[in-house]
Order: sequence, then structure tokens, then C-alpha cells
Amino acid sequence: DTAVSQTPKYLVTQMGNDKSIKCEQNLGHDTMYWYKQDSKKFLKIMFSYNNKELIINETVPNRFSPKSPDKAHLNLHINSLELGDSAVYFCASSQTEDTQYFGPGTRLTVL
Amino acid sequence: EDQVTQSPEALRLQEGESSSLNCSYTVSGLRGLFWYRQDPGKGPEFLFTLYSAGEEKEKERLKATLTKKESFLHITAPKPEDSATYLCAVQAGGYQKVTFGTGTKLQVIP
Repeated sequence: DTAVSQTPKYLVTQMGNDKSIKCEQNLGHDTMYWYKQDSKKFLKIMFSYNNKELIINETVPNRFSPKSPDKAHLNLHINSLELGDSAVYFCASSQTEDTQYFGPGTRLTVL
Repeated sequence: EDQVTQSPEALRLQEGESSSLNCSYTVSGLRGLFWYRQDPGKGPEFLFTLYSAGEEKEKERLKATLTKKESFLHITAPKPEDSATYLCAVQAGGYQKVTFGTGTKLQVIP
């Protein structure tokens, strides 16, 4: 059973489009995260939700909007995609402040 | 602001040649230091959490240690399957944000 899953695995789109990435965890964790990993492999946190409440919101363009319908799901919607948004996006989950477990990633390519 | 610096950026070892990876950190009140392994095209895989200076944890050929300023990941007699990028991360107390280093890419040659 996959603990943290993301869809899609790959996403190729044109500049200016709007796209969404979905994340689900079956670990029963309270907290979920979105990270961006750039071409240099640096992982940077974007958002964190605890029990559907936004608790971390780093300096991210407001074109990025997370949404947590329940504590097992955290989706990421991106409006007006730009070339610089190309990266690998990872979802993760943890039980409160404990160790984070990561999904397989979504490779976003903006053309 | 919390900072994590990993060295070296890349390390090439012969199979069986033991070595150590370094993670230096600056954080206000360390709650936890994490080591992850990341294989190409995959998400980071959890290895260890260390909470206080002097703590050590082992898993197969890997051993992680922690001081007040740095952590080491010791790899004893590595095998080619140990080849991966190893990421270090820190979490400040009372705050769920985790700050990652840029990783050490390890290649073990048969």
C-alpha cells in the first residue's frame, strides 16, 4: 500500500495554464506539506496544513493555492503557470511535528 | 533563519571504502535533525531522526551521530546500492517547518 501518493507523476503544460496536483496519505497523519525541489535538488517548503488548517505559508506567489478537503488530502492548484514553476513538487505528511514521509513527486514542466 | 550546509556535494567511493558525510546546522533550539535518502526520480526516504547531542542511530551500514553544531552520516563498507543523494534537515523547536540542506550525492563504484 502506498503511504503518500501524488497524481499526476508528470505534468507538461503551456505557460499561462492552470493546473492541479493531488496528494493523499493513508498513514492517519495530522499534518501535510508541499515542497518544491528545484533543478539543483534543493527542497524548499511551500505550505503545511494541520487538520485542514494552514499553518505554514512560506513566501510563495499567490498563484499557488493549497486546499485540504480533509486531513488525508492536500491538493495544490497553480494559476497562470510560468517557466520558473518547472520543478518537482513533493507532498509529505507527518504526525504533528514528527518525521515527514514523502510522496513520489510530480515533475512539472512548463513550456 | 535556520541554515543547513552539507559537505561534500558529491562523493565517489569504491565498494567497501568507508567514509562520512557532514551536515552543519544553525537553528534556534533544535527539535530534531533528520537524515533522508533520495534515489533519482523518487521522493526522499526517511532514515534517522536525532534529537540531542551525543545521540547515535544505526541502520545496516549507516550510522548517524549528532553534536551541537553538526551531524555525521557514517557509511561503513558501502555497496553500490547505497548510491543515492543523502539529505539532512533540521526542525526548530515548537515549529513544524523543516529546513533541508542541498544534499550529498554518493556514488559507490563496484
